[in-house]
Amino acid sequence: GQQLNQSPQSMFIQEGEDVSMNCTSSSIFNTWLWYKQDPGEGPVLLIALYKAGELTSNGRLTAQFGITRKDSFLNISASIPSDVGIYFCAGQPRGSQGNLIFGKGTKLSVKP
Amino acid sequence: NAGVTQTPKFRVLKTGQSMTLLCAQDMNHEYMYWYRQDPGMGLRLIHYSVGEGTTAKGEVPDGYNVSRLKKQNFLLGLESAAPSQTSVYFCASSYGGTRHEQFFGPGTRLTVL
Repeated sequence: GQQLNQSPQSMFIQEGEDVSMNCTSSSIFNTWLWYKQDPGEGPVLLIALYKAGELTSNGRLTAQFGITRKDSFLNISASIPSDVGIYFCAGQPRGSQGNLIFGKGTKLSVKP
Repeated sequence: NAGVTQTPKFRVLKTGQSMTLLCAQDMNHEYMYWYRQDPGMGLRLIHYSVGEGTTAKGEVPDGYNVSRLKKQNFLLGLESAAPSQTSVYFCASSYGGTRHEQFFGPGTRLTVL
């Protein structure tokens, strides 16, 4: 089946640092979504992208829909402790009924 | 609005027992989904529904059944639970059509002994 490659798998942040993560696919996607999941809770939608090249911000978060429609990027600027959690990308493949394919997540932790 | 709610939050079953997980949404969404989340595997789609009375298989449907008798509810059944079904189960819903944002419930943590 289709898969999304999400990287990095994990990263440590220090308050104030900028963070970047990305997802790539071998096939074209019509929609890219980014979610955050806190421990013991369900994923929460952060940003939705519908057009190739689209750049969308939500506070300190910025996401882009890649021009090739096979990738997406999420940047977090000036990270704060509450940014800790797992971030998932999700893509809606062309021709699907709205089903999403999820990446395996990027775990953000605070540097000791 | 409560959004997407799931009951129960936790459950422990013995192998071979059956149970039903209930998902409810109050956003008038057409589409609903059931996922399971396992460590290192991300979210995997079990079954989904594109409208009342319709259901379809997802990526990992074996051992599960679903029903969508009312638009706002989506039930996930395990007829004979197995230890491999120990997981966290999430329900989600979306408007459908050209709107693909899915909104998730808080999850049900199921352990099968």
